[in-house]
Amino acid sequence: EPEVTQTPSHQVTQMGQEVILRCVPISNHLYFYWYRQILGQKVEFLVSFYNNEISEKSEIFDDQFSVERPDGSNFTLKIRSTKLEDSAMYFCASSDSGADPLIFLHFGNGTRLTVT
Amino acid sequence: AQKVTQAQTEISVVEKEDVTLDCVYETRDTTYYLFWYKQPPSGELVFLIRRNSFDEQNEISGRYSWNFQKSTSSFNFTITASQVVDSAVYFCALSVQETSGSRLTFGEGTQLTVNP
Repeated sequence: EPEVTQTPSHQVTQMGQEVILRCVPISNHLYFYWYRQILGQKVEFLVSFYNNEISEKSEIFDDQFSVERPDGSNFTLKIRSTKLEDSAMYFCASSDSGADPLIFLHFGNGTRLTVT
Repeated sequence: AQKVTQAQTEISVVEKEDVTLDCVYETRDTTYYLFWYKQPPSGELVFLIRRNSFDEQNEISGRYSWNFQKSTSSFNFTITASQVVDSAVYFCALSVQETSGSRLTFGEGTQLTVNP
């Protein structure tokens, strides 16, 4: 069964550094998402992306964050200058087109980001 | 705005006991989807079930069953004859149709521990 792939599984970075989290969505999917889960807390929506632009973003997704689909297969989340509070598990997700893209959302296994 | 409440932060049971995880949701939309996800200690999100707002039929899948009641805005999840492998955090989530992009709103999660 096709799956969403995230790399790396764990990334450690120093405060103030830029970090790029990478995701390869399922190949025929058109809707892409990032979610975040701070350790021990709930999963929170960050951003959705469709047709090469952001379709929705949450209040968490400030100017430090950006997303990009640099080629036909990757979907990236960039954090420009990481802060300690950015430490979290980041989940990428994708879904195919249709009347309701959330009918079935496929999540990747997550990238655990640790900011020191 | 959407909201999902999982009032039980932690539940501990002994193997073979039945356990019910509660989920209460809030939305003004008439069309929405409800989900349950399992998050084992390894951290990934495992999809368990999706229901739409027009289908109030209860569902059973093996030892798992779900009780959807619109009258009380609840979507409860029961594990029958629990096993140690059921130990995980369980998240209830809600989505509504948006004009562009869609987001899942998660509850805070219930940590289930099944003891041998």
